Amino acid sequence: SQQGEEDPQALSIQEGENATMNCSYKTSINNLQWYRQNSGRGLVHLILIRSNEREKHSGRLRVTLDTSKKSSSLLITASRAADTASYFCATDAPYNNNDMRFGAGTRLTVKP
Amino acid sequence: DTAVSQTPKYLVTQMGNDKSIKCEQNLGHDTMYWYKQDSKKFLKIMFSYNNKELIINETVPNRFSPKSPDKAHLNLHINSLELGDSAVYFCASSQVAGGLADTQYFGPGTRLTVL
Repeated sequence: SQQGEEDPQALSIQEGENATMNCSYKTSINNLQWYRQNSGRGLVHLILIRSNEREKHSGRLRVTLDTSKKSSSLLITASRAADTASYFCATDAPYNNNDMRFGAGTRLTVKP
Repeated sequence: DTAVSQTPKYLVTQMGNDKSIKCEQNLGHDTMYWYKQDSKKFLKIMFSYNNKELIINETVPNRFSPKSPDKAHLNLHINSLELGDSAVYFCASSQVAGGLADTQYFGPGTRLTVL
């Protein structure tokens, strides 16, 4: 089964609104990353958060990590139409860092 | 300059054929990967290759074999293609070996369609 599971599967909002996507995972992790994928393109790294960190920011992005709940969230503030893409979380395992797992992603649509 | 490039972008072929997908990175990274993204958008690691050490996902059929002529290239050879091999294949690279301790840089993907 997939390690990371994003929720919701799809999200549609208006420009200027905030978008929150969640990622849950089943086993302990070392690192968690969020990636973005535009349609028909490769993944682009957004933020890395390590298991001993709780929150990280990058521009309009804020990522939180709650290891007790085995979940992470990605918040995009003041969304823009150009933020329309799929967002994936990925995790690796402390016992085998080659065991990297991605979820199926959240499809975000930002309407102008 | 493209950091991680793949060729071809699209590949359409018949069942049973043998094909290759090429990947090159100009980032000077030590580790390269191949991923498969299926129709449901799940991305699965296939191989991780670092300085002659190959880590294979045990679920990958042995019809798939990575070949690295040098540190900047990791090509994917697929023998006896099957319908289920249809997917988008992504190459990636990172400076740090293995795991997600470092950013992975992805190529644009190769969409393989097996008829």
